[in-house]
Amino acid sequence: EVQLVDSGGNLVQPGGSLRLSCEASGFTLSTYTMNWVRQAPGKGLEWVSAIGSGGETYYVDSVKGRFTISRDNSKNTLYLQMNNLRVEDTAVYYCAAQTWTKATTDSYWGQGTQVTVSS
Amino acid sequence: QSVLTQPPSASGTPGQRVTISCSGSSSNIGRNYVYWYQQLPGMAPKLLIYGNNQRPSGVPDRISGSKSGTSASLAISGLRSEDEADYYCATWDDSVSGVAFGGGTKLAVL
Repeated sequence: EVQLVDSGGNLVQPGGSLRLSCEASGFTLSTYTMNWVRQAPGKGLEWVSAIGSGGETYYVDSVKGRFTISRDNSKNTLYLQMNNLRVEDTAVYYCAAQTWTKATTDSYWGQGTQVTVSS
Repeated sequence: QSVLTQPPSASGTPGQRVTISCSGSSSNIGRNYVYWYQQLPGMAPKLLIYGNNQRPSGVPDRISGSKSGTSASLAISGLRSEDEADYYCATWDDSVSGVAFGGGTKLAVL
């Protein structure tokens, strides 16, 4: 069974750091484009970052220089290192296996992990 | 402000057909595949349409997607109460080398 389990969300003060994890089972994470997508309270979905199967990385402008996406192939796990967190980063963060440039039916999402940035 | 424009709300009665639009530009919808997601309250998004108009297995054929130029549409026919949810379009945007989501459309089944 294919499954993604998000974890690592927490309450953190502005300027603080968190590392989110997304453990995959039932498929090999490194062969997919893996994404982080967030949803602020009462708002829509916002794509945050992606890492391609070749290791190329992409970020939305608002997190460039603060967030880093990576993966550990031996652990079949995706990460999002978030530094210098801002109040506006408060959201549920989902990891997702989703390729955007090919017509593929594969689409796997984690259950989401809550990140709250507040003093 | 989302790069892809969707109506904030849509509604219909059971059995009706509703259409949700998604407007973009030449750098996103105009040259890349469109995806549609359904999100129920408190749940992760679920893929409804990939590759502009393809349905994953398990998605009923009363749900369809289309694309023309820089716009796309999601159509739901034979509307049912369980279709009440938020719907999002998404696509790759070449101008920013990133993914664009629409602002979402809340569908009410009256």
